[in-house]
Amino acid sequence: KAGVTQTPRYLIKTRGQQVTLSCSPISGHRSVSWYQQTPGQGLQFLFEYFSETQRNKGNFPGRFSGRQFSNSRSEMNVSTLELGDSALYLCASSFSGRGVDEQFFGPGTRLTVL
Amino acid sequence: AQSVTQLGSHVSVSEGALVLLRCNYSSSVPPYLFWYVQYPNQGLQLLLKYTTGATLVKGINGFEAEFKKSETSFHLTKPSAHMSDAAEYFCAVTQANQAGTALIFGKGTTLSVSS
Repeated sequence: KAGVTQTPRYLIKTRGQQVTLSCSPISGHRSVSWYQQTPGQGLQFLFEYFSETQRNKGNFPGRFSGRQFSNSRSEMNVSTLELGDSALYLCASSFSGRGVDEQFFGPGTRLTVL
Repeated sequence: AQSVTQLGSHVSVSEGALVLLRCNYSSSVPPYLFWYVQYPNQGLQLLLKYTTGATLVKGINGFEAEFKKSETSFHLTKPSAHMSDAAEYFCAVTQANQAGTALIFGKGTTLSVSS
């Protein structure tokens, strides 16, 4: 079974631009979660989608948004980029999205904002 | 609110020595607890998890962890370190009755292994 894939792996943007990151979950997984990883704040939960609905949201500004498609693929968008948005963005999928389920992580997208 | 504290941002051991990575959690409801490992330029890989039942949990690569409710701890151990264990380790918690999978992570512990 193929693992979680994320595209692109690396991105360089400038302040004020917007960016869209993509995540393809493991086949059959219906839950997709997004996390931001920075040296200062560590790993922080952004949001989770299940069956095309946002079910859970972390404490991030509205500039961060996401969506999930009928095939469970997910995208996250960050508008009006700030320098502090530079981070590794990790996507994770699980079968049913229950708290007990293992989440399988992708390799991440490294976003650099200049 | 749930939280996770990992004591020691950096742990150094010699090859063959005991590995002990500390994790304490705070949760008002029974927690589900996880340990993940991250190698450079990679995502996170699950080492082991505690949900219910036996409090000593065995994971991959010879790691194990013990859930101690009275101490609100979930420390990760390995009897004998290998060079390949050098990585960053994260303890995480999620709510047992919560819909969804919002993992709350500790700040991480970088494990260095010297020969």
